[in-house]
Amino acid sequence: AQKVTQAQTEISVVEKEDVTLDCVYETRDTTYYLFWYKQPPSGELVFLIRRNSFDEQNEISGRYSWNFQKSTSSFNFTITASQVVDSAVYFCALMGNTDKLIFGTGTRLQVFP
Amino acid sequence: GAVVSQHPSRVICKSGTSVKIECRSLDFQATTMFWYRQFPKQSLMLMATSNEGSKATYEQGVEKDKFLINHASLTLSTLTVTSAHPEDSSFYICSARTRTRTQQYFGPGTRLTVL
Repeated sequence: AQKVTQAQTEISVVEKEDVTLDCVYETRDTTYYLFWYKQPPSGELVFLIRRNSFDEQNEISGRYSWNFQKSTSSFNFTITASQVVDSAVYFCALMGNTDKLIFGTGTRLQVFP
Repeated sequence: GAVVSQHPSRVICKSGTSVKIECRSLDFQATTMFWYRQFPKQSLMLMATSNEGSKATYEQGVEKDKFLINHASLTLSTLTVTSAHPEDSSFYICSARTRTRTQQYFGPGTRLTVL
C-alpha cells in the first residue's frame, strides 16, 4: 500500500523565520515520484516540485529547498525567511506504478507579520 | 505551461438537482484526466480516472451512477453529480496529463454547495 504522512497539521511562524514541513512516505514500488503542492485560500493547487526516486539530490529554488532521503523515506520541505504570502496548505504527494497521486493530509502554514 | 480550466468555479444548487462540471485542457491533449474531491480542511481524494474514449475507472467507495464522468475528447472531461444532496457539497478538482508525462496539471477547482 502507498501512503503519505504529514504529521504536522498546522504550523505558525513569524515572518522571516525558517520553517520545515515534514513528509514521510510508504511504497513498495522501486520507481516512484514525490511532489509538493501549495494550496492558497483560493483553492487552486500550485505545483512546487517533482522528484523521482532515483534522484536524491537536494534542490533549492529561491527560498524553497527540499531534502529527499530514501533511507528514511522522507521528503521534507523548508521555507527560508518565511513571508506572509507563504501562508497556505502544503501537500506532499506520491505517485507510484499505479499513476495515481496519493496525497498527504496537508500542513497548514500560517505566517504572521 | 500546461493550463487546465474548470467551469463553473462555483455552483449552488437545490437538493435533488444534477450539476455538470467541465474540465478542459487548454493547450495540450489530455489522454488522461482525474477527478478529485476535497472536503473542508481535508486532503484531496481521487474519485476516478478517465482515459479519452474509455469508461472511467472509479475508486472504491465512489458511486459511479451518482458521479457520471465523460471524457469524450482529448481536451474535455465532464463530471455530473446526479441528484445532488447536501453531503455532496465539496470542492471538486480535476487534473489532466498527456500520455508521456507523469505530471498532472490541476484545474482551479469547482466549489459545489447543495442546499
